[in-house]
Amino acid sequence: DAMVIQNPRYQVTQFGKPVTLSCSQTLNHNVMYWYQQKSSQAPKLLFHYYDKDFNNEADTPDNFQSRRPNTSFCFLDIRSPGLGDAAMYLCATSRAGDHNEQFFGPGTRLTVL
Amino acid sequence: EDQVTQSPEALRLQEGESSSLNCSYTVSGLRGLFWYRQDPGKGPEFLFTLYSAGEEKEKERLKATLTKKESFLHITAPKPEDSATYLCAVNKLSFGAGTTVTVRA
Repeated sequence: DAMVIQNPRYQVTQFGKPVTLSCSQTLNHNVMYWYQQKSSQAPKLLFHYYDKDFNNEADTPDNFQSRRPNTSFCFLDIRSPGLGDAAMYLCATSRAGDHNEQFFGPGTRLTVL
Repeated sequence: EDQVTQSPEALRLQEGESSSLNCSYTVSGLRGLFWYRQDPGKGPEFLFTLYSAGEEKEKERLKATLTKKESFLHITAPKPEDSATYLCAVNKLSFGAGTTVTVRA
């Protein structure tokens, strides 16, 4: 089945220790997104890629970076995680166009100690 | 800036007790309103897209409607398996915080 895969599902890191979350897709969609979702809150868009074009949301902290080496893979790097970065991180993909729905991965739950 | 408000935050229903969830939005131009279902510890799963006022879509016990200012998700005769958080999003990227629905048998 075509899908969006996120690894790991659970990640524990220490305060200030860099961490990388990964996302892969078999849907061949040209748009990929990273969201941060805290408990009982709306998913918050961090950035997205339209093919290789990177789009950063204005309020995404510099501590968050992303890479998309090819169509299938996308990475989220948190350079110096703080306690406030503990959250669920969701990767999503879609075809281009405002009318196309997003397909979400299962998420990575990040804990910062 | 697009804004989305969902109400109520939580809804507890008895099996078979129909109800509605509200999604109010403020946008400069609506290009699509999306409903998703999210189960605990999982990513959202797409349900519906609505584009214009008056549009309706149905899937099993769920029916979504759209006006110029809000959308409703109607749950008819819910079952325990309908328990989830229901998210709406406008113009694809602006999400509400969701309504958590719990259906008791």
